[in-house]
Amino acid sequence: DIQMTQSPSSLSASVGDRVTITCRASQSISSYLNWYQQKPGKAPRLLISAASNLQGGVPSRFSGSGSGTDFTLTISSLQPEDFATYYCQQGYSTPRTFGQGTKVEIK
Amino acid sequence: EVQLVESGGDLVQPGGSLRLSCAASGFTFTTYWMTWVRQAPGEGLEWVANVKQDGTEKNYGDSVKGRFSISRDNAKNSVYLQMNNLRAEDTAVYYCVRGTASWTFWGQGTLVTVSS
Repeated sequence: DIQMTQSPSSLSASVGDRVTITCRASQSISSYLNWYQQKPGKAPRLLISAASNLQGGVPSRFSGSGSGTDFTLTISSLQPEDFATYYCQQGYSTPRTFGQGTKVEIK
Repeated sequence: EVQLVESGGDLVQPGGSLRLSCAASGFTFTTYWMTWVRQAPGEGLEWVANVKQDGTEKNYGDSVKGRFSISRDNAKNSVYLQMNNLRAEDTAVYYCVRGTASWTFWGQGTLVTVSS
């Protein structure tokens, strides 16, 4: 199974900050990497697919990059509604696997 | 509008069984793989199982293999998760999701609690 490791596990940031979350796969997954945002009590929301493909309706302050084993989710200017938990997920092979999550909290 | 509505979650004793259902609408059901993803309280997301469009291929996570069975009824636009020999660690919200590699559409989730 492919292991997905996110860092950091949590972070504190202020509105307007630039935030970067990294995700590392235990083997190459090409660009089969997705990012989700989850708020308490809600289902996850797909933000980015195929490493860098921004989903419709997702603000342009979100961006994704990377390929192979190393990937990054960047929020260019953190907004109040962005405080949530973020997960990466590989769609390269079965079983699909998620990172452990990164909780973005208000500083 | 795509809708995925799960049902069947309940409180069940360890060793018991439960069947979850997911009713899909708003898209051509027969053209998509369907997947179950779960989330234990306060924990992260875990892929559980998926099933191919015609039901001929099914895959399972290691933690549920041999105990859970995924199926679908294309005439009813529904996907199911039969859960047997349930354990405390199966306690989670179970989400039905459309697709196999990335998931735009999620249900609201159904809570399964395994406890005596």
